[in-house]
Amino acid sequence: NAGVTQTPKFQVLKTGQSMTLQCAQDMNHNSMYWYRQDPGMGLRLIYYSASEGTTDKGEVPNGYNVSRLNKREFSLRLESAAPSQTSVYFCASSGLALSGELFFGEGSRLTVL
Amino acid sequence: QQQVKQSPQSLIVQKGGISIINCAYENTAFDYFPWYQQFPGKGPALLIAIRPDVSEKKEGRFTISFNKSAKQFSLHIMDSQPGDSATYFCAAYSGAGSYQLTFGKGTKLSVIP
Repeated sequence: NAGVTQTPKFQVLKTGQSMTLQCAQDMNHNSMYWYRQDPGMGLRLIYYSASEGTTDKGEVPNGYNVSRLNKREFSLRLESAAPSQTSVYFCASSGLALSGELFFGEGSRLTVL
Repeated sequence: QQQVKQSPQSLIVQKGGISIINCAYENTAFDYFPWYQQFPGKGPALLIAIRPDVSEKKEGRFTISFNKSAKQFSLHIMDSQPGDSATYFCAAYSGAGSYQLTFGKGTKLSVIP
């Protein structure tokens, strides 16, 4: 079982460029999430999707957009990257709708120059 | 507003010793308290969790102690091993209203031989 798969694992962007982080889960989970992790800041929720067809803002949504493409896939888009978006991004899913029991991917390390 | 305060930021313990990480929360609506373990280069993984109707939960060498009146909970790692060296995050979840899973800022544990 792959669990939660994120691509790419590493990416370097220039300020103003756009990119999309991809996430897919094979556990038939209903809910999916995007977090960012910064040193000393813990994990902060960017967006989440309770179920296919719905998305909601989390704690730090500014500068990001998301798409719940189907039950398996949840993508995160940076339209115009800024250095403040340099971070490690984690996708997660949960079997129970909107629960605290999350399964995380291995992360995508993004550097914006 | 930090709703889950975690301490210490870092912890060094001798092999065989007891590691203790503490967390305090503010929101009395929280009703699920998970701990996540993260190894370098990996995503967080659920380690152990507790609900507020019990004061203690033990799984192997890992124990959560929960004090509802003080709004505090802690993770104890007995007989700490070098393989336990990781970053630990406490979290608190509320199922009421909008989705809310709040993480502490993490504790980096180093177990030295």
